[in-house]
Amino acid sequence: DIVMTQSPDSLAVSPGERATINCKSSQSILYNSENRNYLAWYQQKPGQPPKLLFYWASTRESGVPDRFSGSGSGTDFTLTISSLQAEDVAVYYCQQYYDILWTFGQGTRVEIK
Amino acid sequence: EVQLVQSGAEVKKPGESLKISCKTSGYTFTNYWIGWVRQMPGKGLEFMGVIYLRDSDTRYSPSSQGQVTISADKSISTVYLQWSSLKASDTAIYYCARRQGGNYPGGLDVWGQGTTVTVSS
Repeated sequence: DIVMTQSPDSLAVSPGERATINCKSSQSILYNSENRNYLAWYQQKPGQPPKLLFYWASTRESGVPDRFSGSGSGTDFTLTISSLQAEDVAVYYCQQYYDILWTFGQGTRVEIK
Repeated sequence: EVQLVQSGAEVKKPGESLKISCKTSGYTFTNYWIGWVRQMPGKGLEFMGVIYLRDSDTRYSPSSQGQVTISADKSISTVYLQWSSLKASDTAIYYCARRQGGNYPGGLDVWGQGTTVTVSS
């Protein structure tokens, strides 16, 4: 299995400040011939299913605010919220789909300070 | 509108069988992978398995292999997850989700609303 490890497990950020979530894969999830990183980010709010934010590590899904950005390559990836809003309180997950046996990170809880 | 609509909440006893469903609509059923994801109470997302609807190729996570069966009925665009003998540890919310399509399928872009399964004696 490809193990996905997120850090931190939780963080509290003041409104308008930056939130940064890291995700590390146990092996490279960059498919060299395509130059694509097989990584997605999801946001899950209480009582709701997850929502896709990014795929190919940095391609924003339609409708996702541009204060969210995804970056990274190989084994190290980052989700950044440039200016945290109250509605961004949620748990965020990374997921690899390089292996058909997909795996998720353990999640990072983002709260307002 | 693309939708995945899951069957309703279930309360079962240990040892009972169960089959939950995920009915899809609004797109060509056979062009996509559909996965099942478990979320135990207060916990994170856990991949269980996936089925490719074009040829019914099915893969299971190591922890789900032999514990559940994923199947599909193309005639009604529905995917299933079933257990032959439930355990209390199967108590969770189960989500179905569609993998993006196209030449380079990516993340899970459409999710069902979730089915809560409670297993208790």
